Amino acid sequence: GENVEQHPSTLSVQEGDSAVIKCTYSDSASNYFPWYKQELGKRPQLIIDIRSNVGEKKDQRIAVTLNKTAKHFSLHITETQPEDSAVYFCAASLYSSASKIIFGSGTRLSIRP
Amino acid sequence: GAGVSQSPSNKVTEKGKDVELRCDPISGHTALYWYRQRLGQGLEFLIYFQGNSAPDKSGLPSDRFSAERTGESVSTLTIQRTQQEDSAVYLCASTRLAGGRNPQYFGPGTRLTVL
Repeated sequence: GENVEQHPSTLSVQEGDSAVIKCTYSDSASNYFPWYKQELGKRPQLIIDIRSNVGEKKDQRIAVTLNKTAKHFSLHITETQPEDSAVYFCAASLYSSASKIIFGSGTRLSIRP
Repeated sequence: GAGVSQSPSNKVTEKGKDVELRCDPISGHTALYWYRQRLGQGLEFLIYFQGNSAPDKSGLPSDRFSAERTGESVSTLTIQRTQQEDSAVYLCASTRLAGGRNPQYFGPGTRLTVL
């Protein structure tokens, strides 16, 4: 079955700097990779996603890149702000088929003022 | 519209007791997932329901765990003979359609504490 590994487990960056979180997946059949953000005490929410037919996707300060050959994908947050502090989860699944979604272990991002 | 709701929000129980957790998905959502999140840990997949298909139970950690869903409505997760290691937040999520591309809408979770 699918296994998703996420690094680092914790990340602290200065406000205004960039943050990068990396994930690898094991099942080459996976073709959809969402990222969820979970603020303290709140439920996870989807922030961005990418399909395997796309190498990069951007949404304002957030971008995700995918390397299908290496089976890894990354989340990039530029110009970090205090409200970016949260736990971020990557995940892998199948785009079209009914399937479970396997999450990474999460990265706790802290933004230093 | 109403989001995913879960009850109870908190549950404290004694070791060995059975507990039942409830999830009300968003109306019309065909798929429903249960996850376990231990303190400071990631989202551990437990079980997945899709319409009238047989559920994917591959994530259930032991036969003490079971879940049911009636049609495309309420789901209950039952943990029998609870153990201290069952203490966690149990999150439910629903999606509008089948397929991983559909965003998961999470409920607020049930925090289970087994004494």
